[in-house]
Amino acid sequence: SAVISQKPSRDICQRGTSLTIQCQVDSQVTMMFWYRQQPGQSLTLIATANQGSEATYESGFVIDKFPISRPNLTFSTLTVSNMSPEDSSIYLCSEGPPGRYRTFGSGTRLTVV
Amino acid sequence: QKEVEQNSGPLSVPEGAIASLNCTYSDRGSQSFFWYRQYSGKSPELIMSIYSNGDKEDGRFTAQLNKASQYVSLLIRDSQPSDSATYLCAVNNGRTGNQFYFGTGTSLTVIP
Repeated sequence: SAVISQKPSRDICQRGTSLTIQCQVDSQVTMMFWYRQQPGQSLTLIATANQGSEATYESGFVIDKFPISRPNLTFSTLTVSNMSPEDSSIYLCSEGPPGRYRTFGSGTRLTVV
Repeated sequence: QKEVEQNSGPLSVPEGAIASLNCTYSDRGSQSFFWYRQYSGKSPELIMSIYSNGDKEDGRFTAQLNKASQYVSLLIRDSQPSDSATYLCAVNNGRTGNQFYFGTGTSLTVIP
């Protein structure tokens, strides 16, 4: 499975600002996924990012709030825009073959104050 | 009803014992089933995958799948303190195939 480098590992941000999270994969992958894990909760899929096309967002998540870029087959970014304390969470990028396993980046722990 | 249900625990077992973790799922079309281990402050790490009914063993870990009962379990033999973590059950979406549903996890503590 691929190795994913994710940064930043953590950040404390002011409400109303934006944070961009980056994920670099050590091999070319077709699909990348962005998840959110709120305290004490499981992983919730935010969106699926394919290279060369717009990301597909899950119910409850919108592009204006979580814009995603996928400029090539090894890199993706997720931006958390106009942040509020409710956005405090762990954000994880992931990749994996369709229907098969998921490999995760190390995660970004975001605190919005 | 949640797509994946797990007992949140905490589950405590003595060192050397067998830890049994259970998971039920609601999507009868699901074909892929996974167990992830997540240490506190870390990202999930895949430890087992299972795709057909029956048992699958890998070292001290055994995954068991019963599609008729929509039930998947993980047994950890000879539990070690290093096994103390939260274990997440994941199941794929039977319709789309590619979307995963994750349970909320079971917290396991292995007592030395």
